[in-house]
Amino acid sequence: DTGVSQDPRHKITKRGQNVTFRCDPISEHNRLYWYRQTLGQGPEFLTYFQNEAQLEKSRLLSDRFSAERPKGSFSTLEIQRTEQGDSAMYLCASSLDPYGYTFGSGTRLTVV
Amino acid sequence: AQSVTQLDSQVPVFEEAPVELRCNYSSSVSVYLFWYVQYPNQGLQLLLKYLSGSTLVKGINGFEAEFNKSQTSFHLRKPSVHISDTAEYFCAVKGNQAGTALIFGKGTTLSVSS
Repeated sequence: DTGVSQDPRHKITKRGQNVTFRCDPISEHNRLYWYRQTLGQGPEFLTYFQNEAQLEKSRLLSDRFSAERPKGSFSTLEIQRTEQGDSAMYLCASSLDPYGYTFGSGTRLTVV
Repeated sequence: AQSVTQLDSQVPVFEEAPVELRCNYSSSVSVYLFWYVQYPNQGLQLLLKYLSGSTLVKGINGFEAEFNKSQTSFHLRKPSVHISDTAEYFCAVKGNQAGTALIFGKGTTLSVSS
């Protein structure tokens, strides 16, 4: 068990570019969550997968955002046409039950 | 829907002093409650959680919290803090219905000085 792994740790991109982040959950965890955290704020829920099914999406997840979890293993979060307001820490968490979230260290996105 | 209010954005305290970080929640259904800690440039680490049973919950690093249903509160306490406890602390709530997300407060910065 190596924990939840996120890649990359940091990403700097120009406004208008597309970016993709990857999350590798703990292997036996069937639940996977994406959160966004801006400076001075708590994490905000974006979306939730159980196995490969995306079961819940926040209204924060605009149509520029898309998440996938093929085969119920790793997950990707893509942001198209990035905007400066997308600059944040993107956190991934996984769990085996509804209560025991394990968070990764996050991907820090800076849009310039 | 659920919401969380952390009543203090910053709490400065001297080493070995007691500390209490306050958290109130709102929900129309029964809830599960959590406290997480976040050190700089790191992810969130679970300190403790309340699911059911005893309202006094003990967690890691000497922290404890008490669930008070009538006051809709879940305050975090530690009798004697260390410099290493300096971090951001987040209270979180989750409804007991399937599919509800874990909702976080805005956080409390605990600063421990000598």
